[in-house]
Amino acid sequence: SSELTQDPAVSVALGQTVRITCRGDSLRSHYATWYQQKPGQAPVLVVHGRNTRPSGIPDRFSGSTSGNTASLTITGSQAEDEADYYCNSRDSSGNYLVFGTGTKVTVL
Amino acid sequence: QLQLQESGPRLVKPSETLSLTCTVFGGSISSTSYYWGWIRQPPGKGLEWLANIYYTGSTYYSPSLKSRVTISVDTSKNQFSLKLNSVTAADTALYYCARHRRVVLPAADDYYYIDVWGKGTTVTVSS
Repeated sequence: SSELTQDPAVSVALGQTVRITCRGDSLRSHYATWYQQKPGQAPVLVVHGRNTRPSGIPDRFSGSTSGNTASLTITGSQAEDEADYYCNSRDSSGNYLVFGTGTKVTVL
Repeated sequence: QLQLQESGPRLVKPSETLSLTCTVFGGSISSTSYYWGWIRQPPGKGLEWLANIYYTGSTYYSPSLKSRVTISVDTSKNQFSLKLNSVTAADTALYYCARHRRVVLPAADDYYYIDVWGKGTTVTVSS
């Protein structure tokens, strides 16, 4: 079972803001990274570290952490943001990596 | 631009060993700060991190599969490989190879992110 828990699904109106959360004890000590996966495609890195976006990722994606919860916020959601989102971090022992359970984002 | 390509049998019989190889194109597997690993995704399900390896041979495994998984690296061929033994239908999945970047932070903390993914290869376990 995953040590990082995400809500299975969230929906957001076009142009509105959505926050995707990832909960786990390891997040008190380790950063989360966030990946976007669209159907039939490999995941794409969207945010890593404190709040770093790779080149090409729009600035409407941002990351944050508070306590045992990491969040990915999409400010001004676009239709192309509809996808599955996964968090990833070290486990509590720090010895391996683990993915969150994933969140399906629907843009209405 | 660095690319990864998975290769290996698409069909494996139950109880046998699944073997996959990932070839690195456009860069060296011996680059510092990069680890090389495997992630899988069963049909219709989420991502599962399996293992990664540094070019020196240092390995990290998911505890849920550690007893069945071996990851190895061949720097002369710019490849790394995954072996998963005693497979069952539950091991049927899309297997991705991926480059992990290690970021070292002040105070000796670090984290990893995956910046390059292969396209994935589907492996089916069936008799």
